[in-house]
Amino acid sequence: LAKTTQPISMDSYEGQEVNITCSHNNIATNDYITWYQQFPSQGPRFIIQGYKTKVTNEVASLFIPADRKSSTLSLPRVSLSDTAVYYCLVGGLRQGGKLIFGQGTELSVKP
Amino acid sequence: NAGVTQTPKFQVLKTGQSMTLQCAQDMNHEYMSWYRQDPGMGLRLIHYSVGAGITDQGEVPNGYNVSRSTTEDFPLRLLSAAPSQTSVYFCASSYRRTGTNSPLHFGNGTRLTVT
Repeated sequence: LAKTTQPISMDSYEGQEVNITCSHNNIATNDYITWYQQFPSQGPRFIIQGYKTKVTNEVASLFIPADRKSSTLSLPRVSLSDTAVYYCLVGGLRQGGKLIFGQGTELSVKP
Repeated sequence: NAGVTQTPKFQVLKTGQSMTLQCAQDMNHEYMSWYRQDPGMGLRLIHYSVGAGITDQGEVPNGYNVSRSTTEDFPLRLLSAAPSQTSVYFCASSYRRTGTNSPLHFGNGTRLTVT
């Protein structure tokens, strides 16, 4: 099971780009990398997923280097509403069902 | 489409009482799981199921039982509640199809207090 390490917290200002990096040194060949966002009093929700290189959707980009031992979630031009906890999850249901979350990164966006 | 529905939203128990947290999904997902989240902490996996009739333990299974008699439902039972089980509980579900890696869909949680 791939263990993940993320910064505990980050601060940013509105309009800035935020990059959150997750380390996963023992990622397995078939593991995917998935990022979730959680607001207070809500369940986490899916942001983006990737296997290698770069993935982009309407809310974020995910950069994965060739060795796949880390990944970076990039949030362009953050707003106050992006204040949340962000979790990196490494694994896949094809390898079983034991999906272990790390501690997450608490992002605080200031005006 | 309701997604993942958890009931109740809030519950207060006395030490030693039993209760069942309900989780239902209407997306025909094979995979379902339970997590607990304590203040300022991440999500810890309690139990999971990859299909009806199949369950397995996660990181923190002690004090909790589960069963999966249907695809839609995955109840979590506390047989004898303890104050250490005060937490917010989240249920999640996903497809588990060969060749894909579908993300988890979470419910909105059950906030449990054990006094």
